[in-house]
Amino acid sequence: AQSVTQPDIHITVSEGASLELRCNYSYGATPYLFWYVQSPGQGLQLLLKYFSGDTLVQGIKGFEAEFKRSQSSFNLRKPSVHWSDAAEYFCAVVGEGNYQLIWGAGTKLIIKP
Amino acid sequence: DAGITQSPRHKVTETGTPVTLRCHQTENHRYMYWYRQDPGHGLRLIHYSYGVKDTDKGEVSDGYSVSRSKTEDFLLTLESATSSQTSVYFCATATGEQQGYTFGSGTRLTVV
Repeated sequence: AQSVTQPDIHITVSEGASLELRCNYSYGATPYLFWYVQSPGQGLQLLLKYFSGDTLVQGIKGFEAEFKRSQSSFNLRKPSVHWSDAAEYFCAVVGEGNYQLIWGAGTKLIIKP
Repeated sequence: DAGITQSPRHKVTETGTPVTLRCHQTENHRYMYWYRQDPGHGLRLIHYSYGVKDTDKGEVSDGYSVSRSKTEDFLLTLESATSSQTSVYFCATATGEQQGYTFGSGTRLTVV
């Protein structure tokens, strides 16, 4: 069955420190992968997506993610976090020809001053 | 996203009353979705639509119905609201699987 796992429910990072949020997926066919961010009281905003080509993709707000097929992972990174990055982050996958995203449970990012 | 409008943004209703939430898009996206978001449960798909008058059930469809008579509007109806339907409801649209979804700002529904 298709699934997405975000192993960390919460992550706390100091402002200015680097960040890596983990995402593992289980999908037999060619996956299309996404990261979304949800600020408190807001809807979800697309950060970045991958469906082919260069396995390192750049997104908005200084985020990047790397697709590793051998590890079935699509981890999100940022070299230096800002207090405004405090939010919940969701990883999602959809397969070619399918139009329903499979969602991870989300990781809540807390920024320490 | 300015192209997707959910209404109302907030609603308080009584148990047993019908409630309709509206999602209106100006993006001309073919695919539309209704989700609910609850603490500890993440996003759960209620219903979705692949076009006008083409709708189907998601994983938590009991107690909900939908209609899509026009491309731009996707209505979610709680036939007889219950306290377990207190939640934040999000509408999303998509043009295709490679584009991901665009989300509305959500409707916070409280059933008392």
